[in-house]
Amino acid sequence: DTGVSQNPRHKITKRGQNVTFRCDPISEHNRLYWYRQTLGQGPEFLTYFQNEAQLEKSRLLSDRFSAERPKGSFSTLEIQRTEQGDSAMYLCASSLLGSRSGNTIYFGEGSWLTVV
Amino acid sequence: DQQVKQNSPSLSVQEGRISILNCDYTNSMFDYFLWYKKYPAEGPTFLISISSIKDKNEDGRFTVFLNKSAKHLSLHIVPSQPGDSAVYFCAASYQGAQKLVFGQGTRLTINP
Repeated sequence: DTGVSQNPRHKITKRGQNVTFRCDPISEHNRLYWYRQTLGQGPEFLTYFQNEAQLEKSRLLSDRFSAERPKGSFSTLEIQRTEQGDSAMYLCASSLLGSRSGNTIYFGEGSWLTVV
Repeated sequence: DQQVKQNSPSLSVQEGRISILNCDYTNSMFDYFLWYKKYPAEGPTFLISISSIKDKNEDGRFTVFLNKSAKHLSLHIVPSQPGDSAVYFCAASYQGAQKLVFGQGTRLTINP
C-alpha cells in the first residue's frame, strides 16, 4: 500500500496531556498537509509543508499545535495541553507539486483524537 | 465566511437512478474544483476534479459540471449503486493558494 499512512488511528487522552500524530505521505510527494475535521463539517486546513519547509499555517493552529517535517518525508503534528475542543479527526494529505494533478491532494485514513 | 457551500445535508436516491450533488462557491478566484467521497472513520477519497477552463469532466459513472457564471458545480452519479452511500465533499482552490477549501458535505444514501 503506497497511500498516505497515519498513526495512531485512534487516541484517547486526558485533558492537559500532549499527543503526537505521525503521517507518512505518498513517497514521491513533496507537499504535505494537515487538516482537521469535526462532526458535520468539511475538513479545515491547518498547515502545509513543501519538502521540509512549513509554508503556511492557519489561524486555527494555535500555539499549542506544532507540526514538523524534519527531512521532507514524514511529518508529526503535536498538540500540547490538549483541550476537549481539540477532539476531532486529524487528516494528513499529500500532493506532488509540478504534476498534472498537482492541485489534487490525497488523504490518509485520519487519526481520531478524543480528549476526555 | 463559508466560501464553499453544500446546502443539502443529505440526499436519498433509489439504486439505479441518478444522484445529483450540488455545490456553490463565492470566491471568483477559485479555478480548480474537486469532489471527495468519505466513509465513516476513513479519510476522504478523491473522486473527480475539474479545471475552470472546462465545464464538464467525466470519469465512468461520475460527471462533474461547472457553471462559472453561477459559481455552481454539481456531481452526477449514474447509475447510483449501494456502495455510493457516503458523505460527499466538494472542494476548491486557486492558483497560488496551496490549500483546498471544503464544503460541509452531503450525505448520500442509495436505497435498494
